[in-house]
Amino acid sequence: DAGVIQSPRHEVTEMGQEVTLRCKPISGHNSLFWYRQTMMRGLELLIYFNNNVPIDDSGMPEDRFSAKMPNASFSTLKIQPSEPRDSAVYFCASSLDSQGAETQYFGPGTRLLVL
Amino acid sequence: AQSVTQLDSQVPVFEEAPVELRCNYSSSVSVYLFWYVQYPNQGLQLLLKYLSGSTLVKGINGFEAEFNKSQTSFHLRKPSVHISDTAEYFCAVSPQSYSSASKIIFGSGTRLSIRP
Repeated sequence: DAGVIQSPRHEVTEMGQEVTLRCKPISGHNSLFWYRQTMMRGLELLIYFNNNVPIDDSGMPEDRFSAKMPNASFSTLKIQPSEPRDSAVYFCASSLDSQGAETQYFGPGTRLLVL
Repeated sequence: AQSVTQLDSQVPVFEEAPVELRCNYSSSVSVYLFWYVQYPNQGLQLLLKYLSGSTLVKGINGFEAEFNKSQTSFHLRKPSVHISDTAEYFCAVSPQSYSSASKIIFGSGTRLSIRP
């Protein structure tokens, strides 16, 4: 299996622009997680989906952030408009539900820099 | 609710020395416990996890962890570290759930640096 695939791997954009991050989970996995990692705040869970349905989006910073999962093999995280404080590494992870015992498989991350 | 505390943000160790990374958790329900490792410029990957049974869990790359319920701890150990173990290590907990959807709570991470 190719593992969790994220694109792009690096993104540099200017403040105010729209940014779209993409994730393809491991085939057969039914939970998908979006995380953000910064030096200041560490690893933060933004949102997670189960069977394509958003379960908990309490970690989404504000209305500028939105996430979708239109089908089992694709998810997007969108930031509109982007701000310099959104600069971070964004990880997508997927898992196969096992009542809390599941292992999460992380993608390589998207390194976002907002100028 | 659950929480995880990693007491050391950084641990410097000489090569071939033993190391222990500390992790304490709190929870009002039973939990599963995990250690993940993040090598530079990569995503996290599972080192080991405790689900049930023996409190001593062995993982990849020679790491092991011991679950101590009375002290609510899950410390990670390795008897002899290698330069390649340089990474950030995350302790995590997940509530034992009867529903299909659950999320994992990560600690703040411990950066392990190995000196030659």
